[in-house]
Amino acid sequence: AQSVTQLDSQVPVFEEAPVELRCNYSSSVSVYLFWYVQYPNQGLQLLLKYLSGSTLVKGINGFEAEFNKSQTSFHLRKPSVHISDTAEYFCAVSEAGGFKTIFGAGTRLFVKA
Amino acid sequence: EAQVTQNPRYLITVTGKKLTVTCSQNMNHEYMSWYRQDPGLGLRQIYYSMNVEVTDKGDVPEGYKVSRKEKRNFPLILESPSPNQTSLYFCASSLKGGANYEQYFGPGTRLTVT
Repeated sequence: AQSVTQLDSQVPVFEEAPVELRCNYSSSVSVYLFWYVQYPNQGLQLLLKYLSGSTLVKGINGFEAEFNKSQTSFHLRKPSVHISDTAEYFCAVSEAGGFKTIFGAGTRLFVKA
Repeated sequence: EAQVTQNPRYLITVTGKKLTVTCSQNMNHEYMSWYRQDPGLGLRQIYYSMNVEVTDKGDVPEGYKVSRKEKRNFPLILESPSPNQTSLYFCASSLKGGANYEQYFGPGTRLTVT
């Protein structure tokens, strides 16, 4: 069975600073990996996904993530954050070829002026 | 506009009073799913549907029912709500049921059971 651990429940950061949101997963089979963003009072929106191929994945709004199979990680990064990036971010994992997606507990990103 | 809609957005009810949360998508998606979101637990899947008349349990199905009579609609039914079902509920859909397909989420329904 797969599981997802988001290592930080909250991450405060100043505007224009870089940020990394950490995600580790466990699975005995090949996986697909996702990052979703949830803005206040809204549903989740896909930021980026890794299915196969290049381990560096670029998503919307300047975010990127790197799949590291040996460390079973899929950390999300942005070189310079904006106030508008304040949101909750969810890492998710699915078994490759499967139907079910397991979500992490979420990381709240606070961007301060 | 392609979207997933949920109604109501907010609901306060009492223990034992049956309720239905509707979910509708206009993207002709085959796969639909219900999640609940609780602080510190992320999203947990309640039920999902691979297509019309095909539904199956997710991780936390107890106390919930669903039906999929039409492709676009996937209502969530709480026959006898209890306070532990107070939560934020999301409906989602995707083109097909494979995990590689992007899920599109509704805006959420905040349910309080007193």
